[in-house]
Amino acid sequence: AQSVTQLGSHVSVSEGALVLLRCNYSSSVPPYLFWYVQYPNQGLQLLLKYTTGATLVKGINGFEAEFKKSETSFHLTKPSAHMSDAAEYFCAVTVTGGGNKLTFGTGTQLKVEL
Amino acid sequence: EPEVTQTPSHQVTQMGQEVILRCVPISNHLYFYWYRQILGQKVEFLVSFYNNEISEKSEIFDDQFSVERPDGSNFTLKIRSTKLEDSAMYFCASSGAGGFTDTQYFGPGTRLTVL
Repeated sequence: AQSVTQLGSHVSVSEGALVLLRCNYSSSVPPYLFWYVQYPNQGLQLLLKYTTGATLVKGINGFEAEFKKSETSFHLTKPSAHMSDAAEYFCAVTVTGGGNKLTFGTGTQLKVEL
Repeated sequence: EPEVTQTPSHQVTQMGQEVILRCVPISNHLYFYWYRQILGQKVEFLVSFYNNEISEKSEIFDDQFSVERPDGSNFTLKIRSTKLEDSAMYFCASSGAGGFTDTQYFGPGTRLTVL
């Protein structure tokens, strides 16, 4: 069965600093990876996804992530944090034949400080 | 932009009562899902639904749970006899014809509180 691990349940950065949220996956077959963001009292919004092809994927709001098979990682980055980036971020994985179910990590709460 | 909607936003019920959570997926989507998030925990998959039948379900989705697409627009989750541990945020999602690589669009959720 597939799974994802998000290191760091809480990350705090200064406005303008680099954002790095870590995600490692486990899967016996090629994974398809997603990052979702959840703002307070809202649903989940897709930031970006990796299915096939280019391993560096760009998403909304200046975020990007790189699929590294050798490291089983899919870390999320943004060069310069903005106050509006404060939210909870979830990494998720799915594989073929699994009924399309997404398996989520435990989430990382991002705090952006002045 | 099309979006998934859910009603009600908050449901309070007594233990043992039946609840029905409602969702209107994006109109041309073919796959439908329910997830839940217990407070402070991760989002968990409950069930996926395609072509009027369940395609996958988790261990959580036992006989107390059922899903239905009663018409061309609604997708419902029924919990037959609620338990305290069913208290959670329930998210509906839908995706298009691309299957597992297609983006799942989530609704805003229904917060279920079981007393």
